Formats: sequence, C-alpha cells, structure tokens
Amino acid sequence: DSGVTQTPKHLITATGQRVTLRCSPRSGDLSVYWYQQSLDQGLQFLIQYYNGEERAKGNILERFSAQQFPDLHSELNLSSLELGDSALYFCASSASGRFEKLFFGSGTQLSVL
Amino acid sequence: GENVEQHPSTLSVQEGDSAVIKCTYSDSASNYFPWYKQELGKRPQLIIDIRSNVGEKKDQRIAVTLNKTAKHFSLHITETQPEDSAVYFCAASKTGNQFYFGTGTSLTVIP
Repeated sequence: DSGVTQTPKHLITATGQRVTLRCSPRSGDLSVYWYQQSLDQGLQFLIQYYNGEERAKGNILERFSAQQFPDLHSELNLSSLELGDSALYFCASSASGRFEKLFFGSGTQLSVL
Repeated sequence: GENVEQHPSTLSVQEGDSAVIKCTYSDSASNYFPWYKQELGKRPQLIIDIRSNVGEKKDQRIAVTLNKTAKHFSLHITETQPEDSAVYFCAASKTGNQFYFGTGTSLTVIP
C-alpha cells in the first residue's frame, strides 16, 4: 500500500457526462500529480499541484480540470466525456515535488460507453 | 514540453540473461530520470533513479546509465528472473516537476 488513496476504483458512465475522480495523497505529501494511462500511450502527464497551487500542466484537455484543496486532497473533473477518455487515471504524490519518488495510487478505471 | 521515447516496446529474454531498455529525452533542462516498474494490474513503483550529475547508478541486479550529451539513459537488468516480468517506464523531470514518462516496455522473462 503506497498510502495514496483514489476513489472510486471503477467508474462507468456515458458520453457527454461529467465525473469527478478523487485522490488523497500520502500523509505529509504536498505535491499531487495526475496521469492518464491508456494501452497505447503509456502514462500521460496531466497536471501537478503543490500545496494547493497548480505547479505544472501537461497534456490536459480543456474539458478536464483539477484542483487541490486545503486538506491537500485533489480532484480531477472530466466533462463532456468521449469514448476516447476511457482510461486508467492515476494520482501520485510526493513530499515536496523535488527529486523524489512518486507514490502512485491504485488508479480509477474510467469506462465511457 | 518534454518528449520521452522508449525502446523497445516489448522485450523477451531467457531467465538469467540481461535486459536493456533505452530512453531518449528532448529537454536538455531535464535533470532527474527515474524508472518505474508496473506489474500487471498494479500501480507503478520506483525501482531506481538517477540525477544528471551522475553517469551511472547500480542497485543489486539493476543499473541505470545516463549520457547527458546524447540525451539518453538506459536501464540494465542482469540475471533476469521471472518476477522481473512487468512493464517498465522511464521518465524525465526537471527538479521533480512535470514527470514525463516513456510509453513503456513490456518485459517477459521466460523460465
């Protein structure tokens, strides 16, 4: 167990809908990262937060948004869902976001039908 | 942004042989290069990492080499065992921000 908690584990929804994925980092970790993993594209970096502030943005679609709350948990909001958004979404955390290992959660498997 | 390329995408070796996975990166400012192992159905876990001020690092049967000039780094696994079978991801990062991952190498160790 990495100490990073992601909920829900599985999510099935329809095209056009909106969903929220939740991540609780390890106790004491200030930095949270979101990744999308699909079969043919590996781990795609979406966005990083550090202590409530956005620190870096990767290949995140405009339909997607995220935030990190004062208690350091983070949420990834996916809207106007398309079939191609079906993937495994990982959250990872690190203590300060500098030269440190990432601890990954177990992921949320999103299926858009 | 950073672009990390990883080869090969699949690799099969006999138990006891060595395995080598290679990655290249595009951003010369990247200075931290971790490797993650993801077993089937599980989360990625760090197995070894290297910073740009070091050319090589070893941990038992695993080693990583870095060539900053050529912007490539490699993972070497010696004396492979069936439990080494997994997907391996390389990554490049600038001081811990924006970890960009390669597309992964599926390693199969044949007993």
